[in-house]
Amino acid sequence: GNSVTQMEGPVTLSEEAFLTINCTYTATGYPSLFWYVQYPGEGLQLLLKATKADDKGSNKGFEATYRKETTSFHLEKGSVQVSDSAVYFCALTLSGGSYIPTFGRGTSLIVHP
Amino acid sequence: NAGVTQTPKFRILKIGQSMTLQCAQDMNHNYMYWYRQDPGMGLKLIYYSVGAGITDKGEVPNGYNVSRSTTEDFPLRLELAAPSQTSVYFCASRPFFGGTPDTQYFGPGTRLTVL
Repeated sequence: GNSVTQMEGPVTLSEEAFLTINCTYTATGYPSLFWYVQYPGEGLQLLLKATKADDKGSNKGFEATYRKETTSFHLEKGSVQVSDSAVYFCALTLSGGSYIPTFGRGTSLIVHP
Repeated sequence: NAGVTQTPKFRILKIGQSMTLQCAQDMNHNYMYWYRQDPGMGLKLIYYSVGAGITDKGEVPNGYNVSRSTTEDFPLRLELAAPSQTSVYFCASRPFFGGTPDTQYFGPGTRLTVL
């Protein structure tokens, strides 16, 4: 079956530090990969996505590259802000059918001033 | 566009009571989903729908029921509430054509406590 594995949190950083949140996946077929972000008390919202190998998704200073050879989609940001404190979910979706995504368990990020 | 809306935001139920969580979207999306999120855990799919009149079970459907009589609305019914159903419930939708392919749009959630 399909699965997504994320590094466990919480990840605690100081403002302006470099962020990496690891995500690896297993899938039958060729998935699209996503990072969603959940701010406190809110629903999930799309942060970035990539639909094929070697694609790089980017948004709000965050980046992730679809690496088929290592089945990974690690999230990075060069300089985090306090406002980036949230829970980050990695997810994959296979084409066809009902497009049910497979989510990772989420990684909490806490950024201190 | 209001996007995906959910009501109520919070609810406390007694064991054995029933309730309906409302979900509506105004984006004309074909696909709609119900998830639950337990503390420190990811999302678990309860039910989903690929269009009006069509629903199917997800990973954890027991204790829940859904209906989809219109494209816009996808209510989730809890019958005989149990403490194990204490969770945050999220509704989501996704377009079939147009929009950003495969992206899900989430509502703000309903926090349910069963005592």
